Amino acid sequence: GQQLNQSPQSMFIQEGEDVSMNCTSSSIFNTWLWYKQDPGEGPVLLIALYKAGELTSNGRLTAQFGITRKDSFLNISASIPSDVGIYFCAGRSNRDDKIIFGKGTRLHILP
Amino acid sequence: EAQVTQNPRYLITVTGKKLTVTCSQNMNHEYMSWYRQDPGLGLRQIYYSMNVEVTDKGDVPEGYKVSRKEKRNFPLILESPSPNQTSLYFCASSLAADYGYTFGSGTRLTVV
Repeated sequence: GQQLNQSPQSMFIQEGEDVSMNCTSSSIFNTWLWYKQDPGEGPVLLIALYKAGELTSNGRLTAQFGITRKDSFLNISASIPSDVGIYFCAGRSNRDDKIIFGKGTRLHILP
Repeated sequence: EAQVTQNPRYLITVTGKKLTVTCSQNMNHEYMSWYRQDPGLGLRQIYYSMNVEVTDKGDVPEGYKVSRKEKRNFPLILESPSPNQTSLYFCASSLAADYGYTFGSGTRLTVV
């Protein structure tokens, strides 16, 4: 089936640093979604992207829908302790109505 | 409060004993879906439903059944659970396929 390649798998950063993660697909996607999961909870939607080239912000978070429609990026500026968690990309291809998820990027913040 | 409610949160059962995990949403969403989350594998879709009486297989449907008799409910049925179905399960709903999901809090299932 279709797969999303999300990288990096995990990150260890200092508080205050900026963070970048990305997601790539072998097929064209119509929709890209970014989620965050806190321990013991379900994922929560952060940003939704619907157009190639679209750049959308949500506070310190910024995500972009790649021009090729095969990738997306999430940046977090000036990280804080509550940013710790697992970040998932998800998307819907132009082939069907399934939403598929990447394997996640686990963000750790060092004191 | 708009939410997706799953029950139970935790369940330990024995191999072969049929079980149902319930899922209900109060947002009048058309689209509902079940995922399982396993370490290193992320979230994998089991089944989804685009409307009442319409269900489709996701990427890992084997060993599961679902039904969508009414808009708000989307139960997940394991007719004969096996240990490889030990996992964290999430139900989710959205207005449509393209919109972001609202997820439930998860059901941690252990099959011994």
